Amino acid sequence: GQQVMQIPQYQHVQEGEDFTTYCNSSTTLSNIQWYKQRPGGHPVFLIQLVKSGEVKKQKRLTFQFGEAKKNSSLHITATQTTDVGTYFCAGPLAGGTSYGKLTFGQGTILTVHP
Amino acid sequence: DTGVSQDPRHKITKRGQNVTFRCDPISEHNRLYWYRQTLGQGPEFLTYFQNEAQLEKSRLLSDRFSAERPKGSFSTLEIQRTEQGDSAMYLCASRNQAYNEQFFGPGTRLTVL
Repeated sequence: GQQVMQIPQYQHVQEGEDFTTYCNSSTTLSNIQWYKQRPGGHPVFLIQLVKSGEVKKQKRLTFQFGEAKKNSSLHITATQTTDVGTYFCAGPLAGGTSYGKLTFGQGTILTVHP
Repeated sequence: DTGVSQDPRHKITKRGQNVTFRCDPISEHNRLYWYRQTLGQGPEFLTYFQNEAQLEKSRLLSDRFSAERPKGSFSTLEIQRTEQGDSAMYLCASRNQAYNEQFFGPGTRLTVL
């Protein structure tokens, strides 16, 4: 079945340092979505990437979708303590009648030391 | 609050008991998903509804699990004869047909003793 892998599993940074998490799918994705889950919270949608090679920015966050649409990355510049949480990538099965169900990566847990 | 709501937020039960969870999606969302999340893992798909029709169910879902969405609005997830391995966070999400973004509820944390 389709697998979505994320690395690293954990990342500890000092406030102000940059952070990157990488996502790889075993199959081509029609789109990739990124979600953030704060400790004790639920996943909250951040962004969706659809086009091959697409790059989107949200303030200090930069999201990329690979040319082959099988990998993606999230980069945070100058982390802040408010960035703490688990970052998940998720993708629906390409084609077929997947009804938009998402296959999530296992997430990258980010801790930021002030 | 017009977000996705779930009830109860926490449930502690003894092994072998039945439990039922409720999800109220965002009102104009016709698509509803149930996921299960265990510690250190991403949400895992369980089942999907489009309006009142259950269109997809994970092969990982045993016969002890059943879900309904009788009027195309709220949904229930029932687990019969609970086992300790069922302990997890059960998340409900909904979306509008036109957009891929899923809105998650706060989840129901189930502990089976």
